[in-house]
Amino acid sequence: SYELTQPPSLSVSPGQTARVTCSGDAMSKQYVYWYQQKPGQAPVLVMYKDDERPSGIPERFSGSTSGTRATLTIGGAQPEDEADYYCQIVDSSSTILFGGGTKLTVL
Amino acid sequence: QVQLVESGGGVVQPGRSLTLSCTASGFTFSSCALHWVRQAPGKGLEWVAVISKDGKNKYYADSVKGRFTISSDTSKETLFLQMSGLRPGDTAVYYCAKASPTNWAFFGDWGQGTLVTVSS
Repeated sequence: SYELTQPPSLSVSPGQTARVTCSGDAMSKQYVYWYQQKPGQAPVLVMYKDDERPSGIPERFSGSTSGTRATLTIGGAQPEDEADYYCQIVDSSSTILFGGGTKLTVL
Repeated sequence: QVQLVESGGGVVQPGRSLTLSCTASGFTFSSCALHWVRQAPGKGLEWVAVISKDGKNKYYADSVKGRFTISSDTSKETLFLQMSGLRPGDTAVYYCAKASPTNWAFFGDWGQGTLVTVSS
């Protein structure tokens, strides 16, 4: 079965650029979606179809893909961006896959 | 404003059954596919099941196939998840999530979740 791999943790200082990566063989030719989850809360969609930002998501959030790797970039990370981030795709058998999640610390 | 409210969680013994409900409002219920996604304590997200907007197509994660059944009642604008043969590994917060009208494959709106604990 396919897997999506994310680094377990990432730490940046406020104002720095945070790049959360997601990689996996199943990602080629599939759209990637990203979710932000803060402690005790439901996830929130922050990026869809690789690089489309939902309304209400700050412009500092952007997405990109290259081959079997996707990246969620937070340009000028803020303390309120501290959260877990998950990537997600649909694989070739119509199964939805999540990455393991990356805990972003902004400190 | 989209609202998804899950209910039905609780403590259940291994091998027993439980049915979760998700009451929807703020959108046309039959316009979007609906999903269940779960999250074990301290762990990541795991997709569980999806039902198409017309209710005809249902897909499941391998981990629950044959044990869980997703269904919906359009007249009550409610999504269900019937869980049988529950295992300790099914312990998780279960979220109801709504897809977009044009793309079933991602989750634009989520409920707050309901906790299922499988323990003797």
